[in-house]
Parts: sequence; structure tokens; C-alpha cells
Amino acid sequence: QQQVKQSPQSLIVQKGGISIINCAYENTAFDYFPWYQQFPGKGPALLIAIRPDVSEKKEGRFTISFNKSAKQFSLHIMDSQPGDSATYFCAAPQGGGGNKLTFGTGTQLKVEL
Amino acid sequence: GAVVSQHPSWVICKSGTSVKIECRSLDFQATTMFWYRQFPKQSLMLMATSNEGSKATYEQGVEKDKFLINHASLTLSTLTVTSAHPEDSSFYICSAPRVYNEQFFGPGTRLTVL
Repeated sequence: QQQVKQSPQSLIVQKGGISIINCAYENTAFDYFPWYQQFPGKGPALLIAIRPDVSEKKEGRFTISFNKSAKQFSLHIMDSQPGDSATYFCAAPQGGGGNKLTFGTGTQLKVEL
Repeated sequence: GAVVSQHPSWVICKSGTSVKIECRSLDFQATTMFWYRQFPKQSLMLMATSNEGSKATYEQGVEKDKFLINHASLTLSTLTVTSAHPEDSSFYICSAPRVYNEQFFGPGTRLTVL
């Protein structure tokens, strides 16, 4: 089963700064790596996702960087805002067919004024 | 807007009773849906895969007789927690893939068993 290691566990960033969250995966056979954002008491929401045929994908202030050789991908939040304070999860396909995802342990981000 | 809904959003029940949670895909059909469980400040743990027209497949360690799953139609899956006990209190979340692995999650159901 795919393992996904996420770091850091928690992160405090000043407003306007850059938040960086990292994930490492094991199985190189898969081709879809999403990031989810979750606010307290809510379900996770798909934030941005990347396929390994590109090294970077940018959507607004959110960027995924993908390093296939290192089996790592990271989320960068530019110009972090207090409204970005949430828990972020990376995920990777679990394998064995179907659409199952394995989630990282989560990063609790707090953006301070 | 939301593409996956859940009902109820929260429920409180007495120990020993059963609780049913519904998950609906709103604007697409889903032959597969997933049920997760999340404890406070923890990650999502996949419980089972709900398959339309066939039996659900459960992850290792999940009691299939306790967590009954029925995929009644291409837009509806239900999770029934049978004979609930306080240790079943948790946040239950469903998801459905719309295209390829792009999964959309419901808003979650907070279950509290007294």
C-alpha cells in the first residue's frame, strides 16, 4: 500500500509570506497527486492536483512542485492570508486499481497578521 | 458549488442504536464512492469502498457488520453504523470520483454516541 509522508505537522506563517508543505511517496507507478484543504468541521476540498508529466502547476497563489526522481511533491502558498489557515493534506493513489487515495498526515497552517 | 452532499451534518444518538448517513453525488453519477473516518486533528482513514450494484469492499480492520454500506443508485451511498457505541463517535466523510482520480468530498457528518 502506498505510504505518503507529509511535513511539517504544523506551520505558522506571517501574512504575505510563503507557506511550503512537503510530501514524499513511495510507489512511482501512479500519476495523480492532489492537495486538499480542510477547514474545521468541514469536508476536505480539492485545492490543486498535478500529474507527473509536468514539474510544476500553478493556480492563483497555489503552486505544486513535483520532483519525480526524488518522489516528492510540495505545495507552495504565495502571499499567505489569514483565510488560508486550515489543514492541508496531500494524497496519492493507493494502488490496487480503482480510485482509492492514501492521505498524508496533514499540516495545520496558521497565517498570522 | 457542492458536488457531493451528506445528510445529516450531525447526529447524536444513544448507545446501542443505529445511525444512517447518506452521501449523494449531485451533478454526476458515481459507480464508486468512498467512506472515511476522521478523528480530531488526524488524517482521513479510508473505511470502505462503496460499489454500485455490488458489495462494498472494506479496509483491513473495519468491521463490515458494524458499518453497513449500501450503494442504492448511481448517486446515493449510505453508511449505517449499527449498534453504535461511544468509541464510534467520529467525523464521517464520503467522497466520489468525478473524473479519473479527482475525488470530491462531502461536508462530513459528526456522529456523537452517548
